[in-house]
Amino acid sequence: QVQLQESGPGLVKPSQTLSLTCTVSGGSISSGNYYWSWIRQPAGKGLEWIGRIYTSGSTTYNPSLKSRVTISEDTSKNQFSLKLSSVTAADTAMYYCARENDNLGHDRSDYWGQGTLVTVSS
Amino acid sequence: DIQMTQSPSSLSAAVGHRVTITCRASQRISSYLNWYQQKPGKAPNLLIYAASSLQSGVPSRFSGSGSGTDFTLTISSLQPEDSATYYCQQSYKTPYTFGQGTKLEIK
Repeated sequence: QVQLQESGPGLVKPSQTLSLTCTVSGGSISSGNYYWSWIRQPAGKGLEWIGRIYTSGSTTYNPSLKSRVTISEDTSKNQFSLKLSSVTAADTAMYYCARENDNLGHDRSDYWGQGTLVTVSS
Repeated sequence: DIQMTQSPSSLSAAVGHRVTITCRASQRISSYLNWYQQKPGKAPNLLIYAASSLQSGVPSRFSGSGSGTDFTLTISSLQPEDSATYYCQQSYKTPYTFGQGTKLEIK
């Protein structure tokens, strides 16, 4: 059973960089037809896809955030990470990491972390 | 970006009733459509992928249909535990985008 767990600071100051890590257990991030992604959700609002990294290390980002986002992986620790720079209050949200399963050619997020709340405030 | 529009935004139905939620894409997305259920304080849970394929472990009362731009999620016989918000998501083209959600309340 694959499990994902987000970790990182719950409070970030405006203009600073938000950094989160997702630790994966029950499966290797280096194998299979899987992408490893980040999705966020402001309180009471809908879901926004931030971006993803493939097992090869290639990344895809949401153009609305592309200039500020970096997703990377550490295969030795079976982790992947999110960095979002120059944050503002608009970046306050619950941040989820998820596995995107590409088997059968239809991407879908079949495993999710529990989420971690990040608040941007001075 | 591909825009996803769900309707209704909220609905209320009684246990045992049949419920349908619709999702419309701003362009044709073939069958690259997923449905998720989210309960308060929890992460979304995958119900349906590829428009009509039931995710393993999901009760068979959930079903999906559609192709192109119009899709539906149907709950054949509503149960109390189905109270949640439901989201559609297109996986045809990045950035993957979600509908705004449909909040389902049990009467």
